Amino acid sequence: RKEVEQDPGPFNVPEGATVAFNCTYSNSASQSFFWYRQDCRKEPKLLMSVYSSGNEDGRFTAQLNRASQYISLLIRDSKLSDSATYLCVVNTGASYTGTASKLTFGTGTRLQVTL
Amino acid sequence: DGGITQSPKYLFRKEGQNVTLSCEQNLNHDAMYWYRQDPGQGLRLIYYSQIVNDFQKGDIAEGYSVSREKKESFPLTVTSAQKNPTAFYLCASSFGLAGGWGYDEQYFGPGTRLTVT
Repeated sequence: RKEVEQDPGPFNVPEGATVAFNCTYSNSASQSFFWYRQDCRKEPKLLMSVYSSGNEDGRFTAQLNRASQYISLLIRDSKLSDSATYLCVVNTGASYTGTASKLTFGTGTRLQVTL
Repeated sequence: DGGITQSPKYLFRKEGQNVTLSCEQNLNHDAMYWYRQDPGQGLRLIYYSQIVNDFQKGDIAEGYSVSREKKESFPLTVTSAQKNPTAFYLCASSFGLAGGWGYDEQYFGPGTRLTVT
């Protein structure tokens, strides 16, 4: 089983739609979780951090279910500019003993928003 | 304007040559990281550094070397021993221990696309 698994998509949705991406992770000791957005041939950019059960920022909502080892990202009222690949990222190596964090990246879910 | 810079954006080299990729940050971050990204794959960690003059191997360190002589700089050398060097190389930085490792947010530079023929 991969450490971080995402549906690769693509998800093709019309402008204004609500779309949800799912992500599962295998390491139950993971402490923090992130969603990054990556545009074609560009660097990943941090979209949201998830430390407790969830986080909301405008049209974007992330939810975490530790029991099921599952993270989701919901995008409401999709815009054309939301078209990108969304990377689920899990911090598998962090601890409070001072060891470095270790991010494990999913392969990403591609979103295409159309008129 | 704080951020992470990588240069050059595109790099072409002949097989058998070593090449050094630059990464500089002015975010006052302690930790720096190098990843590579190949089509259809997630980012994979090459090396990381928690503090100046210290660095650790990541998951795919073979054929690469790094140095961390200054807090702001973390150059990566791709040696001729790296079997498949053509890739998109991304540098990242974070506050690391100062920010609390459990909540460590990494920020990426624009990347360098290396092509070796």
